[in-house]
Amino acid sequence: KQEVTQIPAALSVPEGENLVLNCSFTDSAIYNLQWFRQDPGKGLTSLLLIQSSQREQTSGRLNASLDKSSGRSTLYIAASQPGDSATYLCAVRNYGQNFVFGPGTRLSVLP
Amino acid sequence: DGGITQSPKYLFRKEGQNVTLSCEQNLNHDAMYWYRQDPGQGLRLIYYSQIVNDFQKGDIAEGYSVSREKKESFPLTVTSAQKNPTAFYLCASSIGGAAEAFFGQGTRLTVV
Repeated sequence: KQEVTQIPAALSVPEGENLVLNCSFTDSAIYNLQWFRQDPGKGLTSLLLIQSSQREQTSGRLNASLDKSSGRSTLYIAASQPGDSATYLCAVRNYGQNFVFGPGTRLSVLP
Repeated sequence: DGGITQSPKYLFRKEGQNVTLSCEQNLNHDAMYWYRQDPGQGLRLIYYSQIVNDFQKGDIAEGYSVSREKKESFPLTVTSAQKNPTAFYLCASSIGGAAEAFFGQGTRLTVV
């Protein structure tokens, strides 16, 4: 059974720092992996989707990488801003299965 | 504007009552999903539907029911059999079962 973990559980950084959020999964036979952002009391906003054949995806200041063999994905946020403060969730989908979500990393970017 | 609309935003349920949460999408997506989110836990799948008139149980379907009579609508009923229904409920959709998923803004259900 696929299990997804995210480290750290919470992170607080000063504005302007580059930072990395980690997502690990136990079953490497994944179909794709999706990163989401969730603001307090809100739904999830899709950030990046990486297919199993891809190594990374980029959108603006965000870059997500995927290493299937080691069961890891990282979300890199460049030049962080207070508006980036939110909870970041990764979700992993195996072939023929539904998404399995990690517990999230709660990010605070301090002005 | 294309998107997923969940209503109501807040819902209060008395003990023993059934309540229905609405989820509507105008993205022309075939697949729709219901998740439950509790503090400190990841999202857990309640029910999903890959096509109209068909749906499957997820990991925590007990105490819940759904219908999929129209492509754009996937309502979730929380029945009195669900012993701990207080949670944040999220609806999602995707073009197909393996495609990028998009979420609504959620419904917070509280038992009073």
